[in-house]
Amino acid sequence: RKEVEQDPGPFNVPEGATVAFNCTYSNSASQSFFWYRQDCRKEPKLLMSVYSSGNEDGRFTAQLNRASQYISLLIRDSKLSDSATYLCVVNSGYGNKLVFGAGTILRVKS
Amino acid sequence: NAGVMQNPRHLVRRRGQEARLRCSPMKGHSHVYWYRQLPEEGLKFMVYLQKENIIDESGMPKERFSAEFPKEGPSILRIQQVVRGDSAAYFCASSTTQNTEAFFGQGTRLTVV
Repeated sequence: RKEVEQDPGPFNVPEGATVAFNCTYSNSASQSFFWYRQDCRKEPKLLMSVYSSGNEDGRFTAQLNRASQYISLLIRDSKLSDSATYLCVVNSGYGNKLVFGAGTILRVKS
Repeated sequence: NAGVMQNPRHLVRRRGQEARLRCSPMKGHSHVYWYRQLPEEGLKFMVYLQKENIIDESGMPKERFSAEFPKEGPSILRIQQVVRGDSAAYFCASSTTQNTEAFFGQGTRLTVV
């Protein structure tokens, strides 16, 4: 089983739609969780950290479910500029390295 | 406050040559990660270093690849005797501590001809 698993998509949604991504992780000892986005093979950029209590940043909401070992990202009112690959990241393993999921592709269309 | 700096941005090497990729972390960051991304694939962890120490190198190929992060100067990812399969984007990221978010450099695109 992969340490971090994501549905690769693609998710094709119209502008204004709400879309949700899930991510599961295998290491129950993981303590840090993040969502990054990557555009067109450029460097990944931090979107938001994920806290136990959940957190919201504008149109983006992230939630953590430790019991089921999954993380979610909700994007409301999708914009064309949200089109990207969304990467779920978890610290795992010896030394707590950051492990990336393979990413979920989002395409927002007008 | 400069971000993570990687150089060169693009590197072309002939088969059998050596490739040296450099990464200067953000100011105040003492943890460095290296990832490799092949075309149409996700980011694959290679190595995690702290100043003068390798914390986790479980993603590094056993041969030809090495990494260091000396007390002074940038982190270096070294690939000896490159082969065509080494062609990829190599990203470096840095963080302040183990469990905090990491910030990425723009990557080095290695092409082996």
